[in-house]
Amino acid sequence: NIVLTQSPASLAVILGQKATISCTASESVNKFGINLMHWYQQKPGQLPKILIYNEFSRAPGIPARFSGDEAELNFTLTIEPVEADDVATYYCQQGLTFPLTFGSGTKLEIK
Amino acid sequence: EVQLVETGGGLVQPGRSLKLSCVASGFTFNNYWMSWTRQAPGKGLEWVASITNSGGSTYYPDSVKGRFTISRDNAQNTLYLQMNSLRSEDTATYYCTRLYRGYVMDAWGQGASVTVSS
Repeated sequence: NIVLTQSPASLAVILGQKATISCTASESVNKFGINLMHWYQQKPGQLPKILIYNEFSRAPGIPARFSGDEAELNFTLTIEPVEADDVATYYCQQGLTFPLTFGSGTKLEIK
Repeated sequence: EVQLVETGGGLVQPGRSLKLSCVASGFTFNNYWMSWTRQAPGKGLEWVASITNSGGSTYYPDSVKGRFTISRDNAQNTLYLQMNSLRSEDTATYYCTRLYRGYVMDAWGQGASVTVSS
């Protein structure tokens, strides 16, 4: 199974600053040159929502403040500038193979 | 507008069965693979089952294999999850999700709460 190690578990960021969330895969999630790594946002009391798919593509309606990147199996979700509405838990998920697996989540708070 | 509406959740005793349903609308149901994903109280997300658009193939993690069965009725735009031999650790909110290319879950239902307790 592909294990996704997500860090940090929680993160406090000043409004307007940058938040960086990491997700390290235990093996490649690349298929035909595309990294099948996805990011979700779950606001308190709400259902999860897709933010970024295939490493860096933003889902419809997602602002450019959210971006995805990858370097040597280490995937990064960056939010800049952070807004109050971004308070949520963020999850990564690999879409290469079954079983589909998620990271453990990162809770973003405003400092 | 894509909509996924789950029903069938509730309180059930350990060892008993429960069947969840998810009615889909706003898209061509039989063009998409579908999945169930769950979230235990205060915990993270866990994928539970997936089914191809035709219903011909299904996939499960080891934690539910042999106990849960995913199925679909494309004529009724409905996805199902039959859960047998339920355990306390199956207590969670179960989300019906649509799968897009790369197995991205691009649409989520509001969730159905399942509590397994005596």
